[in-house]
Amino acid sequence: ELKVEQNPLFLSMQEGKNYTIYCNYSTTSDRLYWYRQDPGKSLESLFVLLSNGAVKQEGRLMASLDTKARLSTLHITAAVHDLSATYFCAVDIGGATNKLIFGTGTLLAVQP
Amino acid sequence: NAGVTQTPKFRILKIGQSMTLQCTQDMNHNYMYWYRQDPGMGLKLIYYSVGAGITDKGEVPNGYNVSRSTTEDFPLRLELAAPSQTSVYFCASRTWGLQPQHFGDGTRLSIL
Repeated sequence: ELKVEQNPLFLSMQEGKNYTIYCNYSTTSDRLYWYRQDPGKSLESLFVLLSNGAVKQEGRLMASLDTKARLSTLHITAAVHDLSATYFCAVDIGGATNKLIFGTGTLLAVQP
Repeated sequence: NAGVTQTPKFRILKIGQSMTLQCTQDMNHNYMYWYRQDPGMGLKLIYYSVGAGITDKGEVPNGYNVSRSTTEDFPLRLELAAPSQTSVYFCASRTWGLQPQHFGDGTRLSIL
């Protein structure tokens, strides 16, 4: 069974601290997406990682992909309260159809 | 642009009732998707479409039907609502290539 596992599932951190969210998956894929979801809202695309070794950065967030280890990371630098949200990774298993398998999400709470 | 528009935003159904969740996109995207998100979980793919007249099953298609008569519209039909279908439903669309999926705001559906 294909699995996409994120850890931790819940992360409470203080402003200014650094932390990493991990996304492990059990099938071969070289395409992975990160999304952000605010409570009661839709999903917003953060990063598209399309090959082994891909690294993308936007503000305080940096995502990377290691297809050989079947692992993606989302690193948070100097967290601020506005980053509080749920973060999902999604693995593309569908080739041209872009069928995504989502992880269970990491709820990030940044405390002042 | 409106992007991906879902209606209704909220709905309560009785067991055994039927309804159609509407999804319209104005971006001329060929690919469209329906997901459900249960509380505290990631999204699971119900059905998807790669173009008008073409649909296929995702991870959890039982109890649902779809049609795609136009590029813009991708309605999701529940024929005999069951409590297990209580969830938040998201519609998404995507253009060609490896761009991320764009999500609607969701429909919150309760079946009592």
